[in-house]
Amino acid sequence: DTGVSQDPRHKITKRGQNVTFRCDPISEHNRLYWYRQTLGQGPEFLTYFQNEAQLEKSRLLSDRFSAERPKGSFSTLEIQRTEQGDSAMYLCASSFTGTGSGYTFGSGTRLTIV
Amino acid sequence: DAKTTQPPSMDCAEGRAANLPCNHSTISGNEYVYWYRQIHSQGPQYIIHGLKNNETNEMASLIITEDRKSSTLILPHATLRDTAVYYCIVSKQAGTALIFGKGTTLSVSS
Repeated sequence: DTGVSQDPRHKITKRGQNVTFRCDPISEHNRLYWYRQTLGQGPEFLTYFQNEAQLEKSRLLSDRFSAERPKGSFSTLEIQRTEQGDSAMYLCASSFTGTGSGYTFGSGTRLTIV
Repeated sequence: DAKTTQPPSMDCAEGRAANLPCNHSTISGNEYVYWYRQIHSQGPQYIIHGLKNNETNEMASLIITEDRKSSTLILPHATLRDTAVYYCIVSKQAGTALIFGKGTTLSVSS
């Protein structure tokens, strides 16, 4: 297993455009998490899935953000009508319920809005 | 989830033990202490976690006080590659997501 994969690694887009990120978790992990991180801050929780069900969403997740995990495997995070403030590193993590072994994070997608 | 307090930065000489403190005075009985670290431009990396007893793995040791109100992460022989931001988080083992603070920036120098 190659760990948690995120694609793309970097994305530059114009303000107002839509962007979509993909996360492939560790195959046997049933939980998947999305975080956002800005410079100098710790990762901020956005949302998480258990299998295909989205169980929790942060207040940070405005209606311009939507996340899916259609078959309980990979997940996508879409941002519509991007704004300058959306520039950040978007991190994905996965874990398996009950093991208590912590999350495995991907390397993130760095989004820059120009 | 309970909040944690960590010093913003610490320095350590290469080869010496790095002891990173964390206060979590409002921790509840079913909450674990987790430690992660984040090396520049990478995703956070899980280090260790514990409930009551001290824990040790190949990366570090975790010492939790008897009243569980504070803990210390110990890197026994710090190397330059241990330079990172270290996050102490308290959370239930299963359920809600981990909430990160600003962490401690550890700088290891030769």
